[in-house]
Amino acid sequence: GENVEQHPSTLSVQEGDSAVIKCTYSDSASNYFPWYKQELGKGPQLIIDIRSNVGEKKDQRIAVTLNKTAKHFSLHITETQPEDSAVYFCAASKNNDMRFGAGTRLTVKP
Amino acid sequence: GAGVSQSPRYKVAKRGQDVALRCDPISGHVSLFWYQQALGQGPEFLTYFQNEAQLDKSGLPSDRFFAERPEGSVSTLKIQRTQQEDSAVYLCASSSGGVTGELFFGEGSRLTVL
Repeated sequence: GENVEQHPSTLSVQEGDSAVIKCTYSDSASNYFPWYKQELGKGPQLIIDIRSNVGEKKDQRIAVTLNKTAKHFSLHITETQPEDSAVYFCAASKNNDMRFGAGTRLTVKP
Repeated sequence: GAGVSQSPRYKVAKRGQDVALRCDPISGHVSLFWYQQALGQGPEFLTYFQNEAQLDKSGLPSDRFFAERPEGSVSTLKIQRTQQEDSAVYLCASSSGGVTGELFFGEGSRLTVL
């Protein structure tokens, strides 16, 4: 089955700096790659997603890139703010099988 | 309601007890998923429903776990004879169609087995 690896597990940046989180997946048939943000005591919330026919997608300060050949995708957050502090999960999916990475705890220091 | 609702939010059970966790998905969402999230880990897939049909239960860890969605809306995850390793947050998510669309998660039910 699909295996998703995510790194780093923790990331601390200064407010205004950029943050990058990287994921790799194993199943070349996966075709949907969402990123979720999870705040303490809450369920994950979708922040951006990308499909296998697209290489890059941007939404304001957040961007995701996908390299299907290398089977990796990345989340980029620019101009980080303290409210970006949370746990971020990548996921890879085919059909109805979505597998998540172990998460990255992002801390943005004011 | 406006979002996915789960109850109870917190459940403490003694080892060996049975528990039932409820999920109210967003109205009209045909797809419903259950995930298990251990502390410090990502969500692990348990099972998937499309309407009332359970199309995939490959993630259920043992035959002590059972899920149902009899009328294609509310779903219940039941765990029989709970064990300490069952302690986790159980997340429910719904979507309007399949998993290649946005999943809307509930806040989860935190189960602690003593």
